[in-house]
Amino acid sequence: DTAVSQTPKYLVTQMGNDKSIKCEQNLGHDTMYWYKQDSKKFLKIMFSYNNKELIINETVPNRFSPKSPDKAHLNLHINSLELGDSAVYFCASSQDRGNRRRSFGPGTRLLVL
Amino acid sequence: EDQVTQSPEALRLQEGESSSLNCSYTVSGLRGLFWYRQDPGKGPEFLFTLYSAGEEKEKERLKATLTKKESFLHITAPKPEDSATYLCAVLWFNNDMRFGAGTRLTVKP
Repeated sequence: DTAVSQTPKYLVTQMGNDKSIKCEQNLGHDTMYWYKQDSKKFLKIMFSYNNKELIINETVPNRFSPKSPDKAHLNLHINSLELGDSAVYFCASSQDRGNRRRSFGPGTRLLVL
Repeated sequence: EDQVTQSPEALRLQEGESSSLNCSYTVSGLRGLFWYRQDPGKGPEFLFTLYSAGEEKEKERLKATLTKKESFLHITAPKPEDSATYLCAVLWFNNDMRFGAGTRLTVKP
């Protein structure tokens, strides 16, 4: 009965590679997010999708491209990985784009060597 | 600049020693303040939402309060299982949720 799930949980890869992280929520929520948590533990918004439509796109390198095939899924594709991309990436969802709490996934720990 | 600041960065308590965590914010027009708990290797878990000054919420040994400039998370008689990082977040004007850096709480038995 996992609410927000992400795969993979760990991702170790070489610089320059392309990788994807998948996220699925079974809460029936309309809005999904990608957050990045750096080594200092700051959680920063990267993208937000509402009903498959991009509504927040923070200053993120265009090597990062989110894709939402339906409102239950939001995947993150990263091209030409760099050392600075190493972080924990969290997917989250909320009932709508308003003042609703986010439900977070378990995180994907990305290490770029 | 609008921001969210949490203090202290780390807090070590003995079991049963009550204390408070602080979250101060400078955003104008607060739309909601959230508290989350994050255990090592896991995603943040929702605790409370506060919307207006004077509001209080309680859950077991935790109580969150809100003023116009800050929020406190009071922990009464903590137990070792309360050890975690506690994150504060403010809902921004564009519905983005901005997080503080967290307070890492350790409760020793």
